[in-house]
Amino acid sequence: GAGVSQTPSNKVTEKGKYVELRCDPISGHTALYWYRQSLGQGPEFLIYFQGTGAADDSGLPNDRFFAVRPEGSVSTLKIQRTERGDSAVYLCASSTGVPGLYNEQFFGPGTRLTVL
Amino acid sequence: GENVEQHPSTLSVQEGDSAVIKCTYSDSASNYFPWYKQELGKGPQLIIDIRSNVGEKKDQRIAVTLNKTAKHFSLHITETQPEDSAVYFCAALRGTDKLIFGTGTRLQVFP
Repeated sequence: GAGVSQTPSNKVTEKGKYVELRCDPISGHTALYWYRQSLGQGPEFLIYFQGTGAADDSGLPNDRFFAVRPEGSVSTLKIQRTERGDSAVYLCASSTGVPGLYNEQFFGPGTRLTVL
Repeated sequence: GENVEQHPSTLSVQEGDSAVIKCTYSDSASNYFPWYKQELGKGPQLIIDIRSNVGEKKDQRIAVTLNKTAKHFSLHITETQPEDSAVYFCAALRGTDKLIFGTGTRLQVFP
């Protein structure tokens, strides 16, 4: 079946611009996660959705970063006033989201963001 | 907060040899430890995991061991093959959903 998909696969923007990154989770998965992976590093947690609501946004680095999931399926990560330090691969993952249990997270291929 | 350290950062082995990657964690409350394999241009893929009530788990050529007292866990790959070449990440679970990843190990298996 279809896995997690992310678009675009690559995004190049200029410092100060606004970008949106999209994630389509596995059908039926209620939990959705965003991670940021800088070069040579492991993924770093940003935010976790259970359904439409952000259950944990403690990893968002500052108020330039925002994510939404209005219908409990597709999610968009939004970055305002991009900075060169935002350059990274942004990974999305989804899981079945059964409460009280750890549910395996399935990762998408990521969006490589480059801020010039 | 949880901190996960991973060693070595790079590892080169001859095909057929074994490879071992080690991780340590700081939060004694962590109770789930997955290992991910990431190939170029792809997202991480779960290859094996272990829960804190188990000391060892095997799946064909891959095994993971956990020492809760020492707060470290290791990935063992036996009879390595060129297709095992990738970046491997360990992780520890904080709470029920937040994975804290190590910095990764680039494994190269030479034919």
